[in-house]
Amino acid sequence: SQTIHQWPATLVQPVGSPLSLECTVEGTSNPNLYWYRQAAGRGLQLLFYSVGIGQISSEVPQNLSASRPQDRQFILSSKKLLLSDSGFYLCAWSVKLEAFFGQGTRLTVV
Amino acid sequence: RKEVEQDPGPFNVPEGATVAFNCTYSNSASQSFFWYRQDCRKEPKLLMSVYSSGNEDGRFTAQLNRASQYISLLIRDSKLSDSATYLCVVTVYNFNKFYFGSGTKLNVKP
Repeated sequence: SQTIHQWPATLVQPVGSPLSLECTVEGTSNPNLYWYRQAAGRGLQLLFYSVGIGQISSEVPQNLSASRPQDRQFILSSKKLLLSDSGFYLCAWSVKLEAFFGQGTRLTVV
Repeated sequence: RKEVEQDPGPFNVPEGATVAFNCTYSNSASQSFFWYRQDCRKEPKLLMSVYSSGNEDGRFTAQLNRASQYISLLIRDSKLSDSATYLCVVTVYNFNKFYFGSGTKLNVKP
């Protein structure tokens, strides 16, 4: 069966520090991969999606970047975090018509 | 304009009540439609897909109106355990992008 791993679960980082969140998927090949952010009390905002290795599409301009170095690995990064980067970050994968989510990373920038 | 719009609620209903949520989408080329459920501080999980002919799963009924570009979710005989946020989701661009509404919060009271 397919599983998705996302870590860490919680993270507190100072403003200006770098960020790296990693997500891996098992049990499937060539999935579509996504990074979403959910601010407190808000909906999910699509940040990046990828349909294959090295193929990244950005939905909104921001302080973040994404990379897909391997088929089932998706990384969200920032060189310098801003206070506004705080939120709940969710990685997801899809094959065909259903999206499955990791358990999320709750990031607090202080 | 947002891809998907939902009434944020909250909807406060007694146990046993019937409650309905609507969601509108802006892209007439949207291809697939879903309802996801998100419990507090957890990742979203698929509740049900929404088919053109409408579909039912136990106490839950989902309907799609392509002409008016909205989907609905009806919950009958509400249970306390139905309390959650319900997210409307559409896919576009060859099913590669999943767009989420901001969610409708449901509180079922004893």
